[in-house]
Amino acid sequence: GAVVSQHPSRVICKSGTSVKIECRSLDFQATTMFWYRQFPKQSLMLMATSNEGSKATYEQGVEKDKFLINHASLTLSTLTVTSAHPEDSSFYICSALKTDRLNTGELFFGEGSRLTVL
Amino acid sequence: SQQGEEDPQALSIQEGENATMNCSYKTSINNLQWYRQNSGRGLVHLILIRSNEREKHSGRLRVTLDTSKKSSSLLITASRAADTASYFCATAGGTSYGKLTFGQGTILTVHP
Repeated sequence: GAVVSQHPSRVICKSGTSVKIECRSLDFQATTMFWYRQFPKQSLMLMATSNEGSKATYEQGVEKDKFLINHASLTLSTLTVTSAHPEDSSFYICSALKTDRLNTGELFFGEGSRLTVL
Repeated sequence: SQQGEEDPQALSIQEGENATMNCSYKTSINNLQWYRQNSGRGLVHLILIRSNEREKHSGRLRVTLDTSKKSSSLLITASRAADTASYFCATAGGTSYGKLTFGQGTILTVHP
């Protein structure tokens, strides 16, 4: 099956610094990717939809200036957590949509990135 | 978007037993999917059932969908210790294909 890679898988940073997480579709092009956030023992919450070549669409309550999303190529979307604070500590997961000629799609998830802000 | 509810929140069974997890949702859907997540890992897609389907099988998995009750169930037969994981249902609706709303999840523990 298709592969979606996230990097880094784990990151620890100091409060106030910015952290970038990458989501790559390794063997297909993805015009649309999604970013989710998951707190311990909770479900996944959609943060934003990342569209190649255009601005991301953020879900209600998600600060776009706090969580910067860039989807500059068909295989890469990045999530930058700016001026991170301990409450931003979470598990961030991306998914990429693989579409075929019939425009039906299949989702593939990355392995997730665990962010710990000290 | 509203999240669905799953029950039970936690399920503990012995190897060889069947495990049934339920999911309810609130809006109209195009399809409903079940995912598995091992602790601290990403999601693994298990099965997708479309809104016009009522039941689907894949190996030891059986999924049902009742759109009139806005509910779905996942049955894992002859469970194994390796099935221990969290299981989530996720619904897709509207025009944004791939934009999923996840249920709260069921933590399944299978004891050897």
